[in-house]
Amino acid sequence: AQRVTQPEKLLSVFKGAPVELKCNYSYSGSPELFWYVQYSRQRLQLLLRHISRESIKGFTADLNKGETSFHLKKPFAQEEDSAMYYCALRGGGATNKLIFGTGTLLAVQP
Amino acid sequence: KAGVTQTPRYLIKTRGQQVTLSCSPISGHRSVSWYQQTPGQGLQFLFEYFSETQRNKGNFPGRFSGRQFSNSRSEMNVSTLELGDSALYLCASSVGSADYGYTFGSGTRLTVV
Repeated sequence: AQRVTQPEKLLSVFKGAPVELKCNYSYSGSPELFWYVQYSRQRLQLLLRHISRESIKGFTADLNKGETSFHLKKPFAQEEDSAMYYCALRGGGATNKLIFGTGTLLAVQP
Repeated sequence: KAGVTQTPRYLIKTRGQQVTLSCSPISGHRSVSWYQQTPGQGLQFLFEYFSETQRNKGNFPGRFSGRQFSNSRSEMNVSTLELGDSALYLCASSVGSADYGYTFGSGTRLTVV
């Protein structure tokens, strides 16, 4: 079964501290993984996709197939990073269907 | 360019009624997907349309249905509303059939009383 697990509902860090938002997945094939972010009163928006291997707003995420993980990392948190973060998985084939994790609320304290 | 537009933004309905929600994708996007977001269940996939064809359906009862028109606009319908249908319904669009990420709308907040 396809499943995405985000074990932390809330992650609170101080400004300047490193951030790691955990995401583990369950999928038998080769998944595509995404991170979406939702800032307060804004719509859900795409942050990262593993296939691009890009860094957005200082965030990076590496797909680890051995550990079935796709953790989101940032070396130095900023207050404007405070938001809800969702990890999502898309299975193979011609589909845009995403399986989302339950989300982690990142709170960056001044 | 205009984003994904969902109407109405808010809706209050009574149990047993039916409701229709609308989604206008970004111009040129042919794929539209719908999600239900609740505090308890998070984001759950409802269905996906591409070029007027339903390609995928989530694990929801038959009371939930949808369609896509030739201009890519999509509607979803929920019949015989239940209290548990209260949620934020999100629509997302993308260009192609297996695209690298959606653009989401702001959602329709449905409250069933």
